[in-house]
Amino acid sequence: SYELTQPLSVSVALGQTARITCGGNNIGSKNVHWYQQKPGQAPVLVIYRDSNRPSGIPERFSGSNSGNTATLTISRAQAGDEADYYCQVWDSSTACVVFGGGTKLTVL
Amino acid sequence: QLQLQESGPGLVKPSETLSLTCTVSGGSISSSSYYWGWIRQPPGKGLEWIGSIYYSGSTYYNPSLKSRVTISVDTSKNQFSLKLSSVTAADTAVYYCARLGIIRIVGATLGYYFDYWGQGTLVTVSS
Repeated sequence: SYELTQPLSVSVALGQTARITCGGNNIGSKNVHWYQQKPGQAPVLVIYRDSNRPSGIPERFSGSNSGNTATLTISRAQAGDEADYYCQVWDSSTACVVFGGGTKLTVL
Repeated sequence: QLQLQESGPGLVKPSETLSLTCTVSGGSISSSSYYWGWIRQPPGKGLEWIGSIYYSGSTYYNPSLKSRVTISVDTSKNQFSLKLSSVTAADTAVYYCARLGIIRIVGATLGYYFDYWGQGTLVTVSS
C-alpha cells in the first residue's frame, strides 16, 4: 500500500516561513492535498491539487510537489497557524485515500 | 453554504455495530461532481479514511476495514450512512463525514480531496 511520510513536528519563529514536507514514492505524479486541524476542530482544506488554495485561505499558504516530496509552505507564520497539518493523496492502484501521519506546527 | 452533520449513538458496546448518519444541507447529495465519505480519528492520533460513496451507490473502502464496513446513501433524505460491525475499543474515535471533490480529466479520475467536513462526533466503544 502507498505510504506518506511527514515529520512529527515543525517549529517556526513568528513571522518566518514554515515548510512541512510529505514524502512518498513518486508523489510528484499524484495530486496532493493539505489539511489544517486545530485542537477540537474538524480538518480544513488549505491546499488542493498540489498548489491551489480554496476560497478564504490566505495567500500565505502555498504548495509544491515534485519527485518524491510535496511541500506545504506557510509564509509570515502567525500564532493562529499553530495546528496539525495532514497531506493526502488518492492511490489509484489500490483505489484508496491515503493520509500522511500529520505534522504539528509550533509557532515560537 | 454546504453543511454536513453527523448523528448517531455516542456509546457502542464491544462486538456490536456502530451506526452513524450524515445529513447534508445546502446542497444535493445527488450531484455528479462529488463523492461523500467517512474519516475517523482516534483520540490523539491521525486521520484514517474509512470509505466513500457516490450518489449512485458506488463505493470505495479502506481495505483494513472493508470486511466490517458498509456505507450507503439515501438520496431522498440527502443522507449517507456508515455501519461498522464487530467493534472493539480500537474503534473509539471521532468520526467525520465529508464531501469529496473529484479530480477528472477526459476519460479518467485522477483523485479526490475533502473540501467540506462535518464537525465530527465522538463514538466510544465500551461496555
